[in-house]
Amino acid sequence: SQTIHQWPATLVQPVGSPLSLECTVEGTSNPNLYWYRQAAGRGLQLLFYSIGIGQISSEVPQNLSASRPQDRQFILSSKKLLLSDSGFYLCAWSVWQGDSPLHFGNGTRLTVT
Amino acid sequence: DQQVKQNSPSLSVQEGRISILNCDYTNSMFDYFLWYKKYPAEGPTFLISISSIKDKNEDGRFTVFLNKSAKHLSLHIVPSQPGDSAVYFCAASGGYGGSQGNLIFGKGTKLSVKP
Repeated sequence: SQTIHQWPATLVQPVGSPLSLECTVEGTSNPNLYWYRQAAGRGLQLLFYSIGIGQISSEVPQNLSASRPQDRQFILSSKKLLLSDSGFYLCAWSVWQGDSPLHFGNGTRLTVT
Repeated sequence: DQQVKQNSPSLSVQEGRISILNCDYTNSMFDYFLWYKKYPAEGPTFLISISSIKDKNEDGRFTVFLNKSAKHLSLHIVPSQPGDSAVYFCAASGGYGGSQGNLIFGKGTKLSVKP
């Protein structure tokens, strides 16, 4: 069966520090991978998605970036965090076919102080 | 502009009764709709989905109804159980592979089922 791992679960970082969140998927090949963010009082917002190694699409301009160095690895990064980057970050995967749901990881609670 | 709206931020229901969660959308190109359930400090869990070619999909205690003319869908939980207490997100997509992740989510409805 497929599983998705996301870490760390919680993170407190000072403003201006770098960020690296990692996500890996097991049990499937060539998944679509996604990074979402849930800010306080808001729904889930798509940040990045990837349909293959090295292929990244950005949905929202920001100071975050994403990379996919391996088929089942997705990384969310920032060179300098802002206070507004605080939120709940979720990695997700789906298969490449018609109507299929997203499957989410357990998320990372990021607090920028 | 919100394309997917969940106008009730919270809902309280007695155990054993029916819970009805509502969702409205504005984009007529949406053709795939999903409901997710989320517990605190966890990622959302896929619950049930419906394609626009259907008007009802049922899975155990959960049924989703789609009214395309009204651009409205609802999730019915019967009977409601205390373990159903969570935040429920409605999501919609314009379909086709690769963009399934471009789900547009509502802000969620917090369901509380009281024993």
